Amino acid sequence: DTEVTQTPKHLVMGMTNKKSLKCEQHMGHRAMYWYKQKAKKPPELMFVYSYEKLSINESVPSRFSPECPNSSLLNLHLHALQPEDSALYLCASSQITGTDPGGYTFGSGTRLTVV
Amino acid sequence: QKEVEQNSGPLSVPEGAIASLNCTYSDRVSQSFFWYRQYSGKSPELIMSIYSNGDKEDGRFTAQLNKASQYVSLLIRDSQPSDSATYLCAVRTGNNRLAFGKGNQVVVIP
Repeated sequence: DTEVTQTPKHLVMGMTNKKSLKCEQHMGHRAMYWYKQKAKKPPELMFVYSYEKLSINESVPSRFSPECPNSSLLNLHLHALQPEDSALYLCASSQITGTDPGGYTFGSGTRLTVV
Repeated sequence: QKEVEQNSGPLSVPEGAIASLNCTYSDRVSQSFFWYRQYSGKSPELIMSIYSNGDKEDGRFTAQLNKASQYVSLLIRDSQPSDSATYLCAVRTGNNRLAFGKGNQVVVIP
C-alpha cells in the first residue's frame, strides 16, 4: 500500500459546526503532516507529527486541533472556523529524516468550504 | 529571504520542446530536494527526488542539483500536453519540514 487516504473528499460546514478530517497511511511512515493550500498558492505547513508526537505547530489558530491516535492515523478537528479557512487540506506522510528520508506522499486532500 | 524561491510567471512551451524550471534555496544544510507536479484541483505528486550534486534522470525528467550554488532545476524533455501543470520545488529542512516554492505553471501548447 503506497497511498495516503483522506476522508472526506469534500466538506461544507457552518461557522458553528464541529467536524473532523481523517487521514490514514499503511506505509510504515513515522512522520505525518497537515498542510493547507489556497488556490494558486503552494501548500503551507500546519502541523508535523513525528513518532505520534506533535513536533511542529506553525502557529496555527486553536480552532484547528490535530490528533495522532496511532502511527497510521492522523485527524484534524475543526471548530468555529471562519470563511477564510476554506481551502484544500492535505495530509502527507514520510519516513523520518536520517533513516531513509525520501519525499512526502500526499493524500488527495479534503476540499473544505466554510459558510 | 524565502526558504525556496522559484522564478515567477507561467512557462509556455511547444509540444516536443524542453521545459526548464529553476529553484534556489536558502538553507545551506538542506540535503533533500524534490519536484512535485500538481494538476489543477489535485494534490501534489512526487516526480523527482535528488540528494547528491549532479544530474538524475527518470524518463523524460532530469533533475539537477548544485549545492554550492544552492540551486535545483528540472528539465522536461519532449514536453507533452499532459505535462501541463504546476511544478513545485520542495526542500526538506531541519525538524522534518518540507518547504515549498510558490510553483511554476507549465503550459504545453499542441
